[in-house]
Amino acid sequence: SAVISQKPSRDICQRGTSLTIQCQVDSQVTMMFWYRQQPGQSLTLIATANQGSEATYESGFVIDKFPISRPNLTFSTLTVSNMSPEDSSIYLCSVSGVFYGYTFGSGTRLTVV
Amino acid sequence: QKEVEQDPGPLSVPEGAIVSLNCTYSNSAFQYFMWYRQYSRKGPELLMYTYSSGNKEDGRFTAQVDKSSKYISLFIRDSQPSDSATYLCAMSFGETSYDKVIFGPGTSLSVIP
Repeated sequence: SAVISQKPSRDICQRGTSLTIQCQVDSQVTMMFWYRQQPGQSLTLIATANQGSEATYESGFVIDKFPISRPNLTFSTLTVSNMSPEDSSIYLCSVSGVFYGYTFGSGTRLTVV
Repeated sequence: QKEVEQDPGPLSVPEGAIVSLNCTYSNSAFQYFMWYRQYSRKGPELLMYTYSSGNKEDGRFTAQVDKSSKYISLFIRDSQPSDSATYLCAMSFGETSYDKVIFGPGTSLSVIP
């Protein structure tokens, strides 16, 4: 299965600022996915990122708040913009495996103060 | 009603016990069912994947699906302290990377030596 490196692993940010999370995969993948995991809640899909096209956002998530880049088949970034304490969460990138199932990065633990 | 429901726990058992983790779902169109294990400060990792109703066994783990009741279970035999983690059920309508996966909120399990 693919190996995903995600950074930063954690950060504490001031409200109103932005944070860019990077996700690097050790093999080429068509689709990459960004999830948010809030305490006690389900993993929630933010958007799907295909290389060479605009990301597809789920209901409740907008590009202005969570811009995504996908410059090649092994890399993607998610930016959390104009942060508020409500954005404090774990953000995870993932890819879909050959035999199905998703491989996840270790996540970015974000605290907004 | 949420699409996927799961008792969040926490569940605490003695080493060697049999553990039963359960999820219910509301959409009968779900066809593929997964269990993920998530250790603290790590991303989820795929543990079991099944399609049909019935049981699927892998070592100490057994996944059970009852589509008529919209109910899935994960059984862990001879539980070990290393099994202490959060277990997330997940399901999707199809098996391609284009099919969105819906996760339950996870059950926190502690196995006490």
